[in-house]
Amino acid sequence: EAGVAQSPRYKIIEKRQSVAFWCNPISGHATLYWYQQILGQGPKLLIQFQNNGVVDDSQLPKDRFSAERLKGVDSTLKIQPAKLEDSAVYLCASSKGYPSAEQYFGPGTRLTVT
Amino acid sequence: AQKITQTQPGMFVQEKEAVTLDCTYDTSDQSYGLFWYKQPSSGEMIFLIYQGSYDEQNATEGRYSLNFQKARKSANLVISASQLGDSAMYFCAMREILPQGAQKLVFGQGTRLTINP
Repeated sequence: EAGVAQSPRYKIIEKRQSVAFWCNPISGHATLYWYQQILGQGPKLLIQFQNNGVVDDSQLPKDRFSAERLKGVDSTLKIQPAKLEDSAVYLCASSKGYPSAEQYFGPGTRLTVT
Repeated sequence: AQKITQTQPGMFVQEKEAVTLDCTYDTSDQSYGLFWYKQPSSGEMIFLIYQGSYDEQNATEGRYSLNFQKARKSANLVISASQLGDSAMYFCAMREILPQGAQKLVFGQGTRLTINP
């Protein structure tokens, strides 16, 4: 079974530029998560989708971050414009969707904002 | 709000020794789940072990076991016979059930484990 795929693996941009990350979850997984992991900290949930609907985006900085999950499969997370403090690893995870289901993580995208 | 605390920023252990990584949690929920994840330098989060709040026995998965003490609100990870490949960041996490019935994980700060040959 293929795991969660993410691209790109690394991205370097200047502040005020925009960037987008892509995630392809495990086939059949209804729930998709985007986490932000700042260096030295644990991951923090940004947004959660159930199929193509948003379940929780309470910690997403909506003035600059946006995310979508078209057709309930792939997802894209965008930052526009980027700030220095957005430098982090962005992790995508997926699960089968019921509350006790285990989350499977992708390899992450390391973003550096200069 | 739920909170996870990992008080050990770093641990150094000799190969083949057992190691305990500490995790305490705070929640007012009666039903909850506790997870441990391993994050190697490559960056992916690898699921290790899960303990449900109503599970009467401590969870075990190969060399990993979870020392669950509900009254103390602790869920320590025990790795037996440590190996060089165990060197990584380890995160304790708690599952929070949202009003909509979905779940989210709340992570601790992590412990960096280094296994010395």
